[in-house]
Amino acid sequence: GAVVSQHPSWVICKSGTSVKIECRSLDFQATTMFWYRQFPKQSLMLMATSNEGSKATYEQGVEKDKFLINHASLTLSTLTVTSAHPEDSSFYICSAGGRPYGYTFGSGTRLTVV
Amino acid sequence: AQSVTQPDIHITVSEGASLELRCNYSYGATPYLFWYVQSPGQGLQLLLKYFSGDTLVQGIKGFEAEFKRSQSSFNLRKPSVHWSDAAEYFCAVGGFQKLVFGTGTRLLVSP
Repeated sequence: GAVVSQHPSWVICKSGTSVKIECRSLDFQATTMFWYRQFPKQSLMLMATSNEGSKATYEQGVEKDKFLINHASLTLSTLTVTSAHPEDSSFYICSAGGRPYGYTFGSGTRLTVV
Repeated sequence: AQSVTQPDIHITVSEGASLELRCNYSYGATPYLFWYVQSPGQGLQLLLKYFSGDTLVQGIKGFEAEFKRSQSSFNLRKPSVHWSDAAEYFCAVGGFQKLVFGTGTRLLVSP
């Protein structure tokens, strides 16, 4: 079945630095990937839709310059949290797929900014 | 606009008892509906999905869900809960591409 790999699983960084999170589709090509953010004990909030070869589509309220998304190939999308601050600490999850086969999720990345 | 409501924040079920998690959706067209399970600190695992056809959908781990268009519901059921089923469960409705999630139901399983 479809597998999505997300790395790293967890990362701790200093305030003001940037962190890159990778999302790979291992056994299928994903023209579209999605990035979600999940706060503790809350649901998933869609941050942006990543489209291969074009600009990402961000949801309302998501800072494009803080959360840079690059979808350079059919199997890789990256999310870079720039100039991270403690309030950016969260659980970030990517997914790939869509109709009609469904959406496969990565295992998530726990980001802690200190 | 699409939306999903999971009215139960927490549910506690005795091991071996039956389970039903509620999900109501709002969607302007034929919905694609999903149930996912999330263990602490983990990603989401797909339990089952409904696109069309038989309204009773079988999933993994003994779960099933029934799509009821008249009630805009897609409730998840399991006849006998195991302790390993304790987790967070999310219902989601899919449009052409993106998913909209409910707020989740945390399942606790008592001995």
